[in-house]
Amino acid sequence: AQSVTQLDSHVSVSEGTPVLLRCNYSSSYSPSLFWYVQHPNKGLQLLLKYTSAATLVKGINGFEAEFKKSETSFHLTKPSAHMSDAAEYFCVVRGGATNKLIFGTGTLLAVQP
Amino acid sequence: DTAVSQTPKYLVTQMGNDKSIKCEQNLGHDTMYWYKQDSKKFLKIMFSYNNKELIINETVPNRFSPKSPDKAHLNLHINSLELGDSAVYFCASSQGGHAGRINSPLHFGNGTRLTVT
Repeated sequence: AQSVTQLDSHVSVSEGTPVLLRCNYSSSYSPSLFWYVQHPNKGLQLLLKYTSAATLVKGINGFEAEFKKSETSFHLTKPSAHMSDAAEYFCVVRGGATNKLIFGTGTLLAVQP
Repeated sequence: DTAVSQTPKYLVTQMGNDKSIKCEQNLGHDTMYWYKQDSKKFLKIMFSYNNKELIINETVPNRFSPKSPDKAHLNLHINSLELGDSAVYFCASSQGGHAGRINSPLHFGNGTRLTVT
């Protein structure tokens, strides 16, 4: 069975400082992994995806994530936070027999001025 | 030029009523989904259709009935609404079918906030 765990429900950073949102996954198959962002009262927007090509994946808005098989992690990072990055972030794993997307419980990122 | 659009954005109704939420995608995708997001932001798949055929039906009460008139539309009808149905419902689409392209991301609509009083 597949699962995904987002290790922090809330993360608060100051504007201009680095962002780290942690995600660990469990999968019996070679998974695809995604990060989505949800701004208030909006739908989910794809930030980036890992699909067994390069382990370091670059996404939109300066975000990137590194797939580490040995650690079963897919942490999301950004060198410098912007106020507009304040949102809910979801780590998602896909694969297995049913190929369903399994969503993490989300991490709420707050950016302080 | 909205990719996945769903209506209405807000829906407030009383217990026992029947309501529908509509979804349309103009991305040419062959697979569409309904997700439910609860008050704790947890997202759970409800249904998935591929080329108008139901392929995923999670443990959802049969008061919920999806309908796909064509592959660009997936509507959700809910009978006898209950308080526990209050949530945000998201429509999404992807290409390649649910058992197809593993790396195909989902494109989401902006959600319908359903409040049952």
